[in-house]
Amino acid sequence: QQQVKQSPQSLIVQKGGISIINCAYENTAFDYFPWYQQFPGKGPALLIAIRPDVSEKKEGRFTISFNKSAKQFSLHIMDSQPGDSATYFCAASGSRLTFGEGTQLTVNP
Amino acid sequence: SQTIHQWPATLVQPVGSPLSLECTVEGTSNPNLYWYRQAAGRGLQLLFYSVGIGQISSEVPQNLSASRPQDRQFILSSKKLLLSDSGFYLCAWSVRFGNEQFFGPGTRLTVL
Repeated sequence: QQQVKQSPQSLIVQKGGISIINCAYENTAFDYFPWYQQFPGKGPALLIAIRPDVSEKKEGRFTISFNKSAKQFSLHIMDSQPGDSATYFCAASGSRLTFGEGTQLTVNP
Repeated sequence: SQTIHQWPATLVQPVGSPLSLECTVEGTSNPNLYWYRQAAGRGLQLLFYSVGIGQISSEVPQNLSASRPQDRQFILSSKKLLLSDSGFYLCAWSVRFGNEQFFGPGTRLTVL
């Protein structure tokens, strides 16, 4: 299966809180898992990515956690800021890149 | 560095009119190119992709078509627009099929 299931569809977090977005996949051939950030009216931009040989990757306030046995991966945004308000897409790739449905994150001041 | 351009940025067209959206990539050769449509508040729907000049694969049957006349140019067309064609159209490129994709700024199309 080529599907990537993303949840939640929308998320509201207070400034300073932790935002967590989850994704699950079925295809064990997937070997690359990028996350994209999209601001309103803009194209998605690559945010952070992980390969399954590591369980966690951190870049600033953004962390990907990867659970190969459960076929799940998640994006954690620490100390969430109003400027993080955007739509986030997970994706998974083996022979082709497949996107999740997106999560609309709102960080309230 | 690589850059991807799309134009126009916004477009308002009447139902039944033709459409031509253009995408160009700079700073790379033989990119894989993609057209996506995004409805308001929704995910990314892959419409077409191309792995080389003149090579087009369609993901969704519809009244849209794509062409790749040059290595770094990708065009999305329609002979007669429908109301349902409204949306945000995104072009993207990748080094290889399956690699991470890099998106353009998008074209907002409104069909009235």
